Amino acid sequence: NAGVTQTPKFQVLKTGQSMTLQCAQDMNHNSMYWYRQDPGMGLRLIYYSASEGTTDKGEVPNGYNVSRLNKREFSLRLESAAPSQTSVYFCALHPPAATEAFFGQGTRLTVV
Amino acid sequence: QKEVEQNSGPLSVPEGAIASLNCTYSDRGSQSFFWYRQYSGKSPELIMSIYSNGDKEDGRFTAQLNKASQYVSLLIRDSQPSDSATYLCAVKLSGGSEKLVFGKGTKLTVNP
Repeated sequence: NAGVTQTPKFQVLKTGQSMTLQCAQDMNHNSMYWYRQDPGMGLRLIYYSASEGTTDKGEVPNGYNVSRLNKREFSLRLESAAPSQTSVYFCALHPPAATEAFFGQGTRLTVV
Repeated sequence: QKEVEQNSGPLSVPEGAIASLNCTYSDRGSQSFFWYRQYSGKSPELIMSIYSNGDKEDGRFTAQLNKASQYVSLLIRDSQPSDSATYLCAVKLSGGSEKLVFGKGTKLTVNP
């Protein structure tokens, strides 16, 4: 999807391993979001960042950390992966008064 | 916990019919409402946003908002097989937050 680059696309982790999901935008928007999507559950907000250097918890932040070191990048880190974190993860931009929203391509994460 | 509820699916309609998707929300102060479409295995895409009571039309899509009843709906006229997807309702929380809460989605199938 134009403007939001999310990596990796697929990942398999063993329980207890760590990893960082990367998200970068070239649209100069302040707010960035991380969601997880489980079957039949819609999108649930993990963390969001209203601007560079600020982050705030969403509905399901436990087990995750985030970092917004600059305006362009917003990373999501799993310090010790658990099978319950098996999900599809999306990075997104929702500009204020939006007529568009921008999602990354998603990361399909499996924790075994 | 602010909630967004969507009518349980799946919803199946014949080609050419009107598909009606419904959503209720609990945050009475919410002012911004969105409908996203998500094809299987793909990222969500924003198809409608609505901020004022009443109807908003865009091609075959009509969003309807009733803030007093805390209700938002999406009508798809002349449904096409290409409209088959999961539709997600999202509400921006009140209080100056940029957080969105999503419903669990309604899967729509349009039968040729």
